[in-house]
Amino acid sequence: QKEVEQDPGPLSVPEGAIVSLNCTYSNSAFQYFMWYRQYSRKGPELLMYTYSSGNKEDGRFTAQVDKSSKYISLFIRDSQPSDSATYLCAIGGGSNYKLTFGKGTLLTVNP
Amino acid sequence: DAGVIQSPRHEVTEMGQEVTLRCKPISGHDYLFWYRQTMMRGLELLIYFNNNVPIDDSGMPEDRFSAKMPNASFSTLKIQPSEPRDSAVYFCASTSGTGAAYEQYFGPGTRLTVT
Repeated sequence: QKEVEQDPGPLSVPEGAIVSLNCTYSNSAFQYFMWYRQYSRKGPELLMYTYSSGNKEDGRFTAQVDKSSKYISLFIRDSQPSDSATYLCAIGGGSNYKLTFGKGTLLTVNP
Repeated sequence: DAGVIQSPRHEVTEMGQEVTLRCKPISGHDYLFWYRQTMMRGLELLIYFNNNVPIDDSGMPEDRFSAKMPNASFSTLKIQPSEPRDSAVYFCASTSGTGAAYEQYFGPGTRLTVT
């Protein structure tokens, strides 16, 4: 079983839709759950992250962690065409600061 | 801050040639990571450094790959000899190692094509 699994999509939604992006992971020791956004031909940029469990909200974005199910989610409200990108989940834990990335989900928001 | 700087942005080379990728981390960041991204395998960690010392190189695919960090502001990833299967986008990332240590900041990447 891979450490992090992420549905590659692609996912296509109309502008204004609520988007749900998800990942599962296998190692229960992980404590940091990150979401990166990567525009075409650019480097990944950190969007937000949660530590341990629970939810975190930042504007239109909400990150959720369900440690009992080893399941993490990113919700985007009122999606905009500018949200069109690949979204990568990443998880980490321990003192080595390494992150393990999912393969990413390609999202297109249509005007 | 200028962010993580990588050069060159694009590299096209022939099989068998030596390739050197360069990275300048964010000033004050103690950790530097080298990643490779392909459609098939996604983003893979190759090697990372702490205070200029290589900590974990278990992701380096073969002996053809080597990385160095001679000082806190410069790192190189070298492939010698290069092969077509090395074609990928190579990213460098850095983090402070304190507080929000998992907040890795990525450079723009080097797109490598080996023909």
